Amino acid sequence: DQQVKQNSPSLSVQEGRISILNCDYTNSMFDYFLWYKKYPAEGPTFLISISSIKDKNEDGRFTVFLNKSAKHLSLHIVPSQPGDSAVYFCAAVGGSQGNLIFGKGTKLSVKP
Amino acid sequence: ETGVTQSPTHLIKTRGQQVTLRCSSQSGHNTVSWYQQALGQGPQFIFQYYREEENGRGNFPPRFSGLQFPNYSSELNVNALELDDSALYLCASSSQLGRGLGNTIYFGEGSWLTVV
Repeated sequence: DQQVKQNSPSLSVQEGRISILNCDYTNSMFDYFLWYKKYPAEGPTFLISISSIKDKNEDGRFTVFLNKSAKHLSLHIVPSQPGDSAVYFCAAVGGSQGNLIFGKGTKLSVKP
Repeated sequence: ETGVTQSPTHLIKTRGQQVTLRCSSQSGHNTVSWYQQALGQGPQFIFQYYREEENGRGNFPPRFSGLQFPNYSSELNVNALELDDSALYLCASSSQLGRGLGNTIYFGEGSWLTVV
């Protein structure tokens, strides 16, 4: 049973527009979330994180929103650039050892 | 570049064989975790090593085992390979045990294992 879900396998966006990637989770005990970006033939690269004590965290073009009551978070990329084309993974920190629980990923394509 | 290096990058094994994957963690990082990413899936936690001891394990059978060495490098060993073991194996190193911040967790580029 998946604890972190990314229900959209793919998303296509025009350059300069907003990209919104969604993520849902089932375990209300999760209190720290991260987004990773992955290019083919590379390992995941950390993008941005959010603690459950916040509802928003912003870093340049990337903003993550957390809605704890809905157990939902989203990553907004504004403006989207062709170089943002990659697979984006949502992850929650679970377990006492701090391991990451990943969603299946969303492949973002930003068209020029 | 994260400073986490994995080898080999690609390999092909036959069902029933054994495989060893290697990881050199980022300098100063004492915690190493291994993840399996099957095609179309997100990475799944296999286990974590801290100071040469296993410190947590995901839902993987005992034929998945590991080691961490005094220099904090690590190995993942898989015995009796099955076709479903075909996946990308990712090593992640971090500088602190437990619920550290995401930006202190660095992933290597992974080892692609194909079992035929």
